[in-house]
Amino acid sequence: QQPVQSPQAVILREGEDAVINCSSSKALYSVHWYRQKHGEAPVFLMILLKGGEQKGHEKISASFNEKKQQSSLYLTASQLSYSGTYFCGTEFMMDSSYKLIFGSGTRLLVRP
Amino acid sequence: DTGVSQNPRHKITKRGQNVTFRCDPISEHNRLYWYRQTLGQGPEFLTYFQNEAQLEKSRLLSDRFSAERPKGSFSTLEIQRTEQGDSAMYLCASSPQGGYTEAFFGQGTRLTVV
Repeated sequence: QQPVQSPQAVILREGEDAVINCSSSKALYSVHWYRQKHGEAPVFLMILLKGGEQKGHEKISASFNEKKQQSSLYLTASQLSYSGTYFCGTEFMMDSSYKLIFGSGTRLLVRP
Repeated sequence: DTGVSQNPRHKITKRGQNVTFRCDPISEHNRLYWYRQTLGQGPEFLTYFQNEAQLEKSRLLSDRFSAERPKGSFSTLEIQRTEQGDSAMYLCASSPQGGYTEAFFGQGTRLTVV
């Protein structure tokens, strides 16, 4: 059930771009993206809904391929504050309720 | 609305003792999740409530773990006869009813079993 994220880690220089991928074996209703900094709780970034609607961060974009059950998070012109671990959460229906399961994360380090 | 609140923030306990954690979700959020997170890993699903009903409990949990959400408000997670392998960050998250809504996380309770 756990989605698979890739890559596991990324190191960037400030201003560079990165793409983080997330794939699931389940039929998804939505994909969530969160960022977690060391010692802090995960913070919501974006949600992508089945059907194409998106809600989230102004400076971060993402895509959701419903046929492949895959999502990608695009970080452009990275800033030092982007450093952290990014988790995708996949939401699917199970036993008449929605369940939110997270991947193991992608560590992103942005250097000056 | 002050967000999701978890108490205590830190707990150190001796092996074999019982511990209980509390989560106060954002008011009017019907859904409440418990996750466990170890270093370098993503939040691992433990259990899930819709109002006061516990809809699912992870097969990864032993019978030592139990959770309640009386009256559909705050929730408690109890671990009986703690083991060193229980040491982790325990995260609570809440969201409004229905699909397609983001989950809001609390700051977590860090458990250390010595």
